[in-house]
Amino acid sequence: DAGVIQSPRHEVTEMGQEVTLRCKPISGHNSLFWYRQTMMRGLELLIYFNNNVPIDDSGMPEDRFSAKMPNASFSTLKIQPSEPRDSAVYFCASSLGASNQPQHFGDGTRLSIL
Amino acid sequence: AQRVTQPEKLLSVFKGAPVELKCNYSYSGSPELFWYVQYSRQRLQLLLRHISRESIKGFTADLNKGETSFHLKKPFAQEEDSAMYYCALLGAGGTSYGKLTFGQGTILTVHP
Repeated sequence: DAGVIQSPRHEVTEMGQEVTLRCKPISGHNSLFWYRQTMMRGLELLIYFNNNVPIDDSGMPEDRFSAKMPNASFSTLKIQPSEPRDSAVYFCASSLGASNQPQHFGDGTRLSIL
Repeated sequence: AQRVTQPEKLLSVFKGAPVELKCNYSYSGSPELFWYVQYSRQRLQLLLRHISRESIKGFTADLNKGETSFHLKKPFAQEEDSAMYYCALLGAGGTSYGKLTFGQGTILTVHP
């Protein structure tokens, strides 16, 4: 099992551009989570899906952020327009069911907005 | 609301010394607690969970409901233990269902 796969690993772009981060969860896992990691705020949950349905998006910072999960094997996190303060490492994680099962993390996408 | 507090941002010890990474939580229900570790520029990995009551890489953590703590301990630290450690609490009901809340993390540095 390759684990949770995220792409790209690194993204550098200019402010104002649209950024799309991608995640492929572990096959069979039905819960998917997007996190943002920064030095100042640590690890923050942005949104999570259960069976492809968004359950809690209260962590999404503002309307510039959106996430979709069109099927069980793919999710995207989009930032439009991007700003320098969005620079962070974005992690995707998946688990087998949302309750009491550990989450498995991807390698993350290191995003730099210039 | 659920909350996890790791009071130490940085912790330095020498190789062979005991180490304890502190974690306190706030949760109204019965908590499900985890420790995750992130080695330099790597993904977060599950280190251990309280219901397993196991020792991983020499680390143990005991849930103390009276003190609402889940401190991570190792009797003899090794240089390869240097990493970022996150304590996390999994919500089990209501709006917290399935939500993993992380502490701010503790960077452990083990000196030779």
